[in-house]
Amino acid sequence: GAVVSQHPSRVICKSGTSVKIECRSLDFQATTMFWYRQFPKQSLMLMATSNEGSKATYEQGVEKDKFLINHASLTLSTLTVTSAHPEDSSFYICSARANSGELFFGSGTQLSVL
Amino acid sequence: DAKTTQPPSMDCAEGRAANLPCNHSTISGNEYVYWYRQIHSQGPQYIIHGLKNNETNEMASLIITEDRKSSTLILPHATLRDTAVYYCIVRVAAGNQGGKLIFGQGTELSVKP
Repeated sequence: GAVVSQHPSRVICKSGTSVKIECRSLDFQATTMFWYRQFPKQSLMLMATSNEGSKATYEQGVEKDKFLINHASLTLSTLTVTSAHPEDSSFYICSARANSGELFFGSGTQLSVL
Repeated sequence: DAKTTQPPSMDCAEGRAANLPCNHSTISGNEYVYWYRQIHSQGPQYIIHGLKNNETNEMASLIITEDRKSSTLILPHATLRDTAVYYCIVRVAAGNQGGKLIFGQGTELSVKP
């Protein structure tokens, strides 16, 4: 099956710093990618839809200035958590949509903000 | 997207069939039923999807009722490695215009020796 690579898998940072997470579709082009976050014992919550060459669409309640999304190529989308705080600690997961419509998920990034 | 309802947890004996139910009574005619699972601290894994006919692949079978208001995912011979949270999602799937996946709470399946 198609592969989506997410990097880093785990990151620890100090409060106030920014963290960038990369999501790459390795063997297919993805004009659309999705970003989710997941708190312990909870389901995945969709944060935003990332569209290649245009602005991301954010779900209600998600701060676009806090979670910057860039989708500059057909195989790469990045999520930057700006001025991270402990409450931003979470598991972040991306998915990429192939032209067939199928969605493939990355392995997730565990962010811990101290 | 239509919402789905699943039992929060289920147990299954190793080697037996696991039958996971899902209700999606407000599903639209162009929405497919998708199943994903998530093993702890990993990204979701695709299992199977269908529109109205029953589907089978190497992982599982999907049985969709004739009125499409509910479905059942069947793992024919559950193993310990099938312990995971299973998500039933309805979604429009039409090529590169396919809709986003909205996850519910899922069913936590525990396969026991």
